[in-house]
Amino acid sequence: DTEVTQTPKHLVMGMTNKKSLKCEQHMGHRAMYWYKQKAKKPPELMFVYSYEKLSINESVPSRFSPECPNSSLLNLHLHALQPEDSALYLCASSHLVRLAGIYHYEQYFGPGTRLTVT
Amino acid sequence: ELKVEQNPLFLSMQEGKNYTIYCNYSTTSDRLYWYRQDPGKSLESLFVLLSNGAVKQEGRLMASLDTKARLSTLHITAAVHDLSATYFCAAGRWDGTASKLTFGTGTRLQVTL
Repeated sequence: DTEVTQTPKHLVMGMTNKKSLKCEQHMGHRAMYWYKQKAKKPPELMFVYSYEKLSINESVPSRFSPECPNSSLLNLHLHALQPEDSALYLCASSHLVRLAGIYHYEQYFGPGTRLTVT
Repeated sequence: ELKVEQNPLFLSMQEGKNYTIYCNYSTTSDRLYWYRQDPGKSLESLFVLLSNGAVKQEGRLMASLDTKARLSTLHITAAVHDLSATYFCAAGRWDGTASKLTFGTGTRLQVTL
């Protein structure tokens, strides 16, 4: 299994709703990431989990709450979002790869969840 | 703070002609990646460049890295319609606890007949 899966594919939520995005990988990767991508913009890193511990939080508002229950699963809990939070949310996982004698972390991206906040 | 810039932002290409996308990054980076994104889709990894002078080729695409100039290029040879997409470069850096990617602004390629 060499893929990252994300559910749901699409989500429409009101500003008072609470919802969650789910990401799963079974490649044994120990780092997992959440990115936000607005239309016609590059992905922006939100959170990084390394060995199930939050290692990077890029000053993301608290209405986004990440959770890593185990090494295969990453959630993003959403509460009281604003319309400007509408975007494509991408999950990725990575592992250490040795290529031509050099190590690097290769990231594998999921298909994304298209979120619309009304 | 690592910043990554790409140019051009938009490239209208004629089929059969050659073009180059440029990717500049502001500080030392361990690794340079190129991704392709089709509209509404996720990111597809194209190339990983790990050292100065690295050159990778796949079909009509060729990527290179000059770490001294902090520049990577993606060269397109004899453009064809199915290359139409948005291309991102991304510079990788070890943060001390995890690897981070900083993406360039993206270049939207449109190939016309």
